[in-house]
Amino acid sequence: AQSVSQHNHHVILSEAASLELGCNYSYGGTVNLFWYVQYPGQHLQLLLKYFSGDPLVKGIKGFEAEFIKSKFSFNLRKPSVQWSDTAEYFCAVTRPNTDKLIFGTGTRLQVFP
Amino acid sequence: DAGVIQSPRHEVTEMGQEVTLRCKPISGHDYLFWYRQTMMRGLELLIYFNNNVPIDDSGMPEDRFSAKMPNASFSTLKIQPSEPRDSAVYFCASAHGGAALWNEQFFGPGTRLTVL
Repeated sequence: AQSVSQHNHHVILSEAASLELGCNYSYGGTVNLFWYVQYPGQHLQLLLKYFSGDPLVKGIKGFEAEFIKSKFSFNLRKPSVQWSDTAEYFCAVTRPNTDKLIFGTGTRLQVFP
Repeated sequence: DAGVIQSPRHEVTEMGQEVTLRCKPISGHDYLFWYRQTMMRGLELLIYFNNNVPIDDSGMPEDRFSAKMPNASFSTLKIQPSEPRDSAVYFCASAHGGAALWNEQFFGPGTRLTVL
């Protein structure tokens, strides 16, 4: 079974639309959660991360994510997307008691003007 | 800081040839990770090092793949012999501290490998 699941493989939106990308993980115990973004032709960059504390995490470029422990979820949101948000988005989780970062399969977001 | 440096950026080779990918982590980072990205399997962790020592190589596909880190500033990923199914983008990433400590992994630009 996939350990980190991203349900949306390809999302197409118009500018100013709201965005929510799903991420679920299957590990019990303490986990650290990340969203990375890969713009076309570029390498992965960190959008935001959650280690502890407030489950609503603010990231760069207006992105935020909410950790819901009971649902094993860490969904990414943005209230109003821009054309420049076109990219691939990866959710990632560190497995308990290891330093391994496990990535989801990614969600390709296309934003049209 | 120059960030994580990978070379070459693109590699085209023929099946059966040896391929060596190189990575220079960010200075001061004590963790180094090798990933492979394909359309079918997404981003997979191949192996990672801590203080130049391989910690987990369970993601290495088979014996044709090997990785070394002779010092804190250099790592190689070697495929010998290469096969067409090895075609992918290979990323190197580095981080400081363990998973409980590091803020993020910093990724290099990747090496796009094509095996004909």
